[in-house]
Amino acid sequence: NAGVTQTPKFQVLKTGQSMTLQCAQDMNHEYMSWYRQDPGMGLRLIHYSVGAGITDQGEVPNGYNVSRSTTEDFPLRLLSAAPSQTSVYFCASSGRDRNLSYEQYFGPGTRLTVT
Amino acid sequence: AQSVAQPEDQVNVAEGNPLTVKCTYSVSGNPYLFWYVQYPNRGLQFLLKYITGDNLVKGSYGFEAEFNKSQTSFHLKKPSALVSDSALYFCAVSSMDSSYKLIFGSGTRLLVRP
Repeated sequence: NAGVTQTPKFQVLKTGQSMTLQCAQDMNHEYMSWYRQDPGMGLRLIHYSVGAGITDQGEVPNGYNVSRSTTEDFPLRLLSAAPSQTSVYFCASSGRDRNLSYEQYFGPGTRLTVT
Repeated sequence: AQSVAQPEDQVNVAEGNPLTVKCTYSVSGNPYLFWYVQYPNRGLQFLLKYITGDNLVKGSYGFEAEFNKSQTSFHLKKPSALVSDSALYFCAVSSMDSSYKLIFGSGTRLLVRP
């Protein structure tokens, strides 16, 4: 299993540009999510999905769109990049275990800089 | 609303000494509690979790955590620290009614000196 994969690893954008961060998992997990990590603020949930065709907003959704057309893929789109979106982005996936908890598996991250 | 507090930005400890990384939480209902570790330029790795049962939970790399319901705490511990334990540690919480949504603390950097 490759686990959770993310592309690209690094990206530099100019203000106003758009782009899509890719995320895929091969564990047949129902739940996927996107977080951003900023210094001193931990990880904040951007969007999440509890299954194909179902998405919802997290704590900091503004400026981002998601879709979940398949179980495996959960891309994150930046509509018009802003310097405030400079961050490290992590995708995670999980399946519900026998204790009804969700242990999340994280991708390696995408470091995004917006100039 | 759910929340997690990690009151220490950094914890310094000498190799071989015991370590504690603190975490307190606020959640309605029974909590699901997690610890994750992040090494430089890497994603987060799962260490351990508390769902129910024994308050002392054992996890990867010799770490353990104690759930204390009255103090709403879930401190991470290790009896003897290693230099290789130096990393960023995150506590996270979810609840039974939204067990798929994790709320993370701000993280604590652990520095183990030789």
